[in-house]
Amino acid sequence: QVQLQESGAGLVKPSETLSLTCTVSGGSISSFYWSWIRQPPGQGLEWIGYIYSGSTYYNPSLKSRVTISVDTSKNQFSLKLSSVTAADTAVYFCARHTYGNGMGYWGQGTLVTVSS
Amino acid sequence: DIQMTQSPSTLSASVGDRVTITCRASQSISIWLAWYQQKPGKAPKLLIYRASTLESGVPSRFSGSGSGTEFTLTISSLQPDDFATYYCQQYNNNWWTFGQGTKVEIK
Repeated sequence: QVQLQESGAGLVKPSETLSLTCTVSGGSISSFYWSWIRQPPGQGLEWIGYIYSGSTYYNPSLKSRVTISVDTSKNQFSLKLSSVTAADTAVYFCARHTYGNGMGYWGQGTLVTVSS
Repeated sequence: DIQMTQSPSTLSASVGDRVTITCRASQSISIWLAWYQQKPGKAPKLLIYRASTLESGVPSRFSGSGSGTEFTLTISSLQPDDFATYYCQQYNNNWWTFGQGTKVEIK
């Protein structure tokens, strides 16, 4: 059974960098697409970006601030979002998908609050 | 960029009702559309992918249809467990966008 678990700082100061890690268990991180999605409190879902086979694709609205990377030795992938503001306060989810088949596995989500 | 517009934003229905949610894309996305169900405090759950393929384990009362720019999610007979928010998501050309969501409430 594939499981994903987000971890990282729950409180980040404005202008600093948000860093999260998604640990994958029950399966290899190779040969799949791995995404980050976020959801501001009470709002809808926003795709941040994904990584697949070393290539990354980002939401253009966030591209200048986002970096997604993978560590196959630890079966983890990570998100860094720089220069955060209060607008980046959200629950951040990691998810797995295969080509053309939607996001079938999700982490439980982690709330990140941007505040001084 | 591709915009996804869902309607309605909120839907009030009773157990046993047939429910239809519509999702429109601002340009053609072929069949590259998924539907998700989300309950408060939980991660979204994949229901349908490639516009009409039912994810394993999802009840058959859920169905999806459409292609190009117009898509629908239908729940044939609404059950108590189905009261939730539903999102469509397009995945075309390495660009993923969610609709704004449709909340299905108890009437």
